[in-house]
Amino acid sequence: GAGVSQSPSNKVTEKGKDVELRCDPISGHTALYWYRQSLGQGLEFLIYFQGNSAPDKSGLPSDRFSAERTGGSVSTLTIQRTQQEDSAVYLCASSLFPNTEAFFGQGTRLTVV
Amino acid sequence: AQSVTQPDIHITVSEGASLELRCNYSYGATPYLFWYVQSPGQGLQLLLKYFSGDTLVQGIKGFEAEFKRSQSSFNLRKPSVHWSDAAEYFCAVGYDALNFGKGTSLLVTP
Repeated sequence: GAGVSQSPSNKVTEKGKDVELRCDPISGHTALYWYRQSLGQGLEFLIYFQGNSAPDKSGLPSDRFSAERTGGSVSTLTIQRTQQEDSAVYLCASSLFPNTEAFFGQGTRLTVV
Repeated sequence: AQSVTQPDIHITVSEGASLELRCNYSYGATPYLFWYVQSPGQGLQLLLKYFSGDTLVQGIKGFEAEFKRSQSSFNLRKPSVHWSDAAEYFCAVGYDALNFGKGTSLLVTP
């Protein structure tokens, strides 16, 4: 596609529910990143996919968070048993090669009530 | 530990004044370096990047940055700031992944 697409753009969920956030990277990009941005905060690295390599999950804050990337393209970030502190904007980015310039989606704003 | 540091959380400059935003990194080798801007309600946009070669790189919107290996720094500069430059600025390092500093919020006063 023309850019990185994320869906939904906004998600309100009840505490304890599971949510799935989707990211469609730019076609042909081998690297895909997920970040979390809380209000007034910087970008917190969550997970990094590179080609067929095992993902770097070092930034996932708890085992309630997981992500997968199917067919080297679309990625889904899943948060189980959501908590209020999970409320944030979740950003996805992709790059053609590892560690090179990344292009960002508009993000999914998650609100846990 | 590997890190990206932006020492200034907030900076205020007058319109037309010069600007310098600081970024320091701590990595074992020279990583790829980036500056991104996030305007209110907008996504992240790449301003400029450094991979190798000339240590002074030019970016969009009149921004430039200088890589100084001896200081492990990659400071962002602009000679004359415009009101539309008010935004959040993030320094990023590409090494094992793409890691961001905590950002510097720029306020531009008339």
